[in-house]
Amino acid sequence: AQKITQTQPGMFVQEKEAVTLDCTYDTSDPSYGLFWYKQPSSGEMIFLIYQGSYDQQNATEGRYSLNFQKARKSANLVISASQLGDSAMYFCAMRINTNAGKSTFGDGTTLTVKP
Amino acid sequence: NAGVTQTPKFRILKIGQSMTLQCTQDMNHNYMYWYRQDPGMGLKLIYYSVGAGITDKGEVPNGYNVSRSTTEDFPLRLELAAPSQTSVYFCASTKVDRRNTEAFFGQGTRLTVV
Repeated sequence: AQKITQTQPGMFVQEKEAVTLDCTYDTSDPSYGLFWYKQPSSGEMIFLIYQGSYDQQNATEGRYSLNFQKARKSANLVISASQLGDSAMYFCAMRINTNAGKSTFGDGTTLTVKP
Repeated sequence: NAGVTQTPKFRILKIGQSMTLQCTQDMNHNYMYWYRQDPGMGLKLIYYSVGAGITDKGEVPNGYNVSRSTTEDFPLRLELAAPSQTSVYFCASTKVDRRNTEAFFGQGTRLTVV
């Protein structure tokens, strides 16, 4: 069975600083995708970044980057130059490539950006 | 570009009542999902579908039913509502072919069972 663990229920960061949100995963399947989503207080789910298990380089999307350490089964999200609008819940998720029905989410990390 | 549309946005049900949550996507995605999100928690997969006519159970299917008669629509049925089904429900869809792609989510349905 697949499992996603996010060990930080809440995080605080000063505006303009960088922050790392942790995510570890567990699967025996060698082919999978890792995703990060943002959920603001309004409730919608916003896709941020994707990392494939066979991707050689860490994914980056603007201020978001994914620190992918396959041997450690970790996929941490790094947000650079935090903004007040980054305050939200962040979810790490995994989907198995050979069975995309196997979709698993972590319990999330609430990020608060301080002015 | 509508994306994934869920209706209703809010609903209050009495114990034992039934209802259907509607979900429609216009992106020709093959995979569709239903999740529930309890307060302060992550998303739990209820059911998913790999295409029209094909559905399968997720992690928490009890108390729910689904059908997928077309590519676009994936309704979720609650037959006998219970307080434990009070939650926010999200429908999502994605195109799965040679590579994994992100899921697109609806706006959610906030359901309260009293």
